[in-house]
Amino acid sequence: LAKTTQPISMDSYEGQEVNITCSHNNIATNDYITWYQQFPSQGPRFIIQGYKTKVTNEVASLFIPADRKSSTLSLPRVSLSDTAVYYCLVGDIKNYGQNFVFGPGTRLSVLP
Amino acid sequence: GAGVSQSPSNKVTEKGKDVELRCDPISGHTALYWYRQSLGQGLEFLIYFQGNSAPDKSGLPSDRFSAERTGGSVSTLTIQRTQQEDSAVYLCASSLDLDREMPDTQYFGPGTRLTVL
Repeated sequence: LAKTTQPISMDSYEGQEVNITCSHNNIATNDYITWYQQFPSQGPRFIIQGYKTKVTNEVASLFIPADRKSSTLSLPRVSLSDTAVYYCLVGDIKNYGQNFVFGPGTRLSVLP
Repeated sequence: GAGVSQSPSNKVTEKGKDVELRCDPISGHTALYWYRQSLGQGLEFLIYFQGNSAPDKSGLPSDRFSAERTGGSVSTLTIQRTQQEDSAVYLCASSLDLDREMPDTQYFGPGTRLTVL
């Protein structure tokens, strides 16, 4: 079971780029890395997913080094509405269920 | 289109009573998941269904918890003899198909806030 470690909280200011790093030292060959975002009183929402190198979509970028023991979620030019909890998940589709675990996440606070 | 819906949105019950929480997944989604989230905490995985089958029930906190899914659609999470420590937000999610090369995107409902007095 791949365990993830990410900072408990981060502060940023509007317009800045925010990078949240997640450590997953025992990631397995078939594991993917997925990030979710959760606003207060709502369920989590998918942001981005990747296996290696770099993935970019309209919301964020995900950087994964060659050894895949960590990953970095990059949010460009954050706004107040990006204040949320961000979860890093590592899991393998063939061993679903508890193998896909939401940890405590990183609470991002964007300040004006 | 319609997202995942859950009912009730809020439930207040007395200790010792049974409660049923309902989840309506996105139409056509074969996988369904239940999580629990205590105030200010991360999500605790409870159980998932592939179709009507739950391959692994070991995530359920105790034998007071049970879940079923019928017709590959609606799921019910039942908590018998509720305790105060059961108070939490219960989240349901669904995804399209587990038979793929990478993990499916899970679409979450708004949750049911359960308060046990």
